[in-house]
Amino acid sequence: GAVVSQHPSRVICKSGTSVKIECRSLDFQATTMFWYRQFPKQSLMLMATSNEGSKATYEQGVEKDKFLINHASLTLSTLTVTSAHPEDSSFYICSARAGESYEQYFGPGTRLTVT
Amino acid sequence: KQEVTQIPAALSVPEGENLVLNCSFTDSAIYNLQWFRQDPGKGLTSLLLIQSSQREQTSGRLNASLDKSSGRSTLYIAASQPGDSATYLCAVELWGTALIFGKGTTLSVSS
Repeated sequence: GAVVSQHPSRVICKSGTSVKIECRSLDFQATTMFWYRQFPKQSLMLMATSNEGSKATYEQGVEKDKFLINHASLTLSTLTVTSAHPEDSSFYICSARAGESYEQYFGPGTRLTVT
Repeated sequence: KQEVTQIPAALSVPEGENLVLNCSFTDSAIYNLQWFRQDPGKGLTSLLLIQSSQREQTSGRLNASLDKSSGRSTLYIAASQPGDSATYLCAVELWGTALIFGKGTTLSVSS
């Protein structure tokens, strides 16, 4: 199957700082990437949908000015958590697909801890 | 709004037992349904994907069925092993959208 990578796999940052997470499709061009968040013992919740070259579409309750998403190329999307707070500590997972009729492939996730 | 429910939330079985995990969804207009495995602190491993036109998929000891009209899917695990211990997530996709996940079933298989 297709491969999606995320970097970093783990990150610890101080409250008030910003953190950037990268999601890359390694062997296919991803027209769409999705960003999910998973709190402990909870399921994955969609944060935003990102189409290459367009502004991301955010789910209700997700602050677009806090979670900046950039999908500048067909193989890379980034999620920047700005002015992070402890309540932003979570597991962030991206997925990517080549087109609407294609299967979504998930990255391995990034564990963010804000102290 | 599509909602996905998984029952039971947790399950403990002895090694060798056959078991069934259940998933239900409220909107039958799905494009596909997928079962994932998630180990603690790890990402997702895709187990089986069933297209809306299909009724089941099999991979090794795993068999997933889909009844779109009733909004149900089951994941059957045969001859369970301790290595099967993990959280199993069910997710549905509407056409062109992100996946909508259930809360998962946490399985523990004891030796």
